[in-house]
Order: sequence, then structure tokens, then C-alpha cells
Amino acid sequence: GESVGLHLPTLSVQEGDNSIINCAYSNSASDYFIWYKQESGKGPQFIIDIRSNMDKRQGQRVTVLLNKTVKHLSLQIAATQPGDSAVYFCAENRGTGGFKTIFGAGTRLFVKA
Amino acid sequence: DAEITQSPRHKITETGRQVTLACHQTWNHNNMFWYRQDLGHGLRLIHYSYGVQDTNKGEVSDGYSVSRSNTEDLPLTLESAASSQTSVYFCASSERRDNEKLFFGSGTQLSVL
Repeated sequence: GESVGLHLPTLSVQEGDNSIINCAYSNSASDYFIWYKQESGKGPQFIIDIRSNMDKRQGQRVTVLLNKTVKHLSLQIAATQPGDSAVYFCAENRGTGGFKTIFGAGTRLFVKA
Repeated sequence: DAEITQSPRHKITETGRQVTLACHQTWNHNNMFWYRQDLGHGLRLIHYSYGVQDTNKGEVSDGYSVSRSNTEDLPLTLESAASSQTSVYFCASSERRDNEKLFFGSGTQLSVL
């Protein structure tokens, strides 16, 4: 079936290293993708988004890469900091007709000091 | 600053009782959403609204209802609370329907005993 999923449920990185969180999607009609960060006890917070007519978008210390050929999305965090420890969700927006944002299950990122 | 607030933050109720969770946003967004978050299921859409007097069912709407009498508020009502509705509930809003970048509240932890 159609889904948005994550390759790794948990990721542990050393402070200062780069982190890469991956996400697979299966609906080629999806045209908009978002990454959210959720810290403990809080609601998800928007990090970065990308439209299907792009393959890369950069923010502050974060980069999202989109590979439409293999339906793969990744979030790269440069110089990971303890404050980056959280659960990261990818979300897929399927465009027309009703509400079409589908969330992945999430990846927990641990940053070791 | 604009924000989205949920109340209460924590609620304990008994099976069979009616419960209403409040959501109030000052973004002036037309679009509002209710999600529940459970381990192993990620974020699942309960109900959503694209404007005053508009309400729509999401993927897990059974046992829940919403009403939209103004732009700012979308209360979620559990008609007869069940133990299966123990969860963390998040309200969200977005500015655009085709670019559904969501702004989330801090959540309500509901326990049904």
C-alpha cells in the first residue's frame, strides 16, 4: 500500500558529527514534502520543506534532499548538537482533494556529548 | 506572537464520559486539524476544518466530533470516552490548503480509565 516510512527508527550520533535521516515514500503523485522535529513533551515543529520540482533545499544547518526516481527523502543536519535530540518526522502531501498530508512513523535522534 | 494553544495539558476521565479538548489559534488560519499520537502509529488525523462551519472526517474519526463556529477555535469532543482513546492529542493549523505546513499546539495527554 501507499506509505511514508523511515529506514531507521533510531539514530545515535556524536556531537559535532553530521546526521542523516532517511524517508521513503511510495506515491509518485506527492508534490510536497516536509520535515518536522518533535521534542519531548512538545508538538511537532516545522523544520524544512521541499517541492517536487526541486531536488535539494538548504536551511540553517539542515538540508533536505529529494530523489524522485527512487522516491526517497533525506534530512541532513550539519554539526549535530545536543539540542537536535528529538523525533523527526517526514510528511508527504499528495495535493488535490481533501486533506492529504501523511506522516511517517518517525526517527529518534540521540546526540551523544 | 501568533500561537496555537491547547487546553487542558493533561486530563484524566472515566469511560463513558463526554470530554472536550480545546484548541485556539491566533494565526488567523482557515485550516485546522486534530491528530492523535500513539506509539507505533505516529500521527493520525481525526478531523479537520477548512473554515467556519466546515468539518471533515479524518482516518480515525469514530467516537470524535468537532465544530467550527469561528476561525480561532476547533474543539474536539469525545462523545463517550473509551480506554482506546487514551492518547496524546495535537491540534494544528495551516495557512494554505495546497501547502499544508502545519503549526502544532503542545498537545493534551488524555487518559481514559
